[in-house]
Amino acid sequence: ILNVEQSPQSLHVQEGDSTNFTCSFPSSNFYALHWYRWETAKSPEALFVMTLNGDEKKKGRISATLNTKEGYSYLYIKGSQPEDSATYLCASPRRAAGNKLTFGGGTRVLVKP
Amino acid sequence: DAGVTQSPTHLIKTRGQQVTLRCSPKSGHDTVSWYQQALGQGPQFIFQYYEEEERQRGNFPDRFSGHQFPNYSSELNVNALLLGDSALYLCASSLRLIGEEKLFFGSGTQLSVL
Repeated sequence: ILNVEQSPQSLHVQEGDSTNFTCSFPSSNFYALHWYRWETAKSPEALFVMTLNGDEKKKGRISATLNTKEGYSYLYIKGSQPEDSATYLCASPRRAAGNKLTFGGGTRVLVKP
Repeated sequence: DAGVTQSPTHLIKTRGQQVTLRCSPKSGHDTVSWYQQALGQGPQFIFQYYEEEERQRGNFPDRFSGHQFPNYSSELNVNALLLGDSALYLCASSLRLIGEEKLFFGSGTQLSVL
C-alpha cells in the first residue's frame, strides 16, 4: 500500500444495524492514524487519533481499531442512527512529515430510517 | 471559543483570474494547513504554515501560494485560475507540527472557476 485507501466508497445501512469499514495505509514509517467524520454542510470533525498497534478507541457507539503492522484500521458503528450519516475520512501523517495528513477518499455512510 | 473560520464561503471566478482565501485558526492554535477537496475525493494537502513559514507542501503548482500572519491567520492565493481549480478549499488548524495532534477544520470555501 503506497497511499491511504478506504473501502467501501459508500454504504447504506438500515437504522439499528451495525456496520464497519476499512482504512488501509502504508505500514512503513507509521506515525499516527486519524479518523474524521464529515457531515453534510458542516466541517470535518476529529473522531480519533491512534498511534499504538492494537489500540482501540471508542466514542459513544463508534469505535476504531488499529493494526500498524499490516497497515489497516477498522471503524465500527454500533446500532446505526440517522445522525451517523456522514462521510468518514481516515488520514495518516508520515513520520518526519509533521502533521501533513494524507487522506483516503472517504466512506460515505447513509443510515436509512 | 471560536473555531476555525474561513472566508468567503463561496466564490465564483473566471479562468485566468486570481483569488485569495482567508482562514483564522482556532484560538490557541499556531499551525494552519490548507487542503483542496474535489468532488468524490478526499482532501488533498496543499501546504502548511507554522511560525509564518511554509513548512510542508503537497503536489501543487507554484500558482498556489500562501501566507501566515503574526496572529496565525493565513491566506491561500491562487493565480491564473484554471477550470480544474474548482473545488472546496478547507483550512485546518492545530497546535504545533506534531502528527498526533488532531486537526480542527473550517467549513471551507467553495470556489467555482468558469
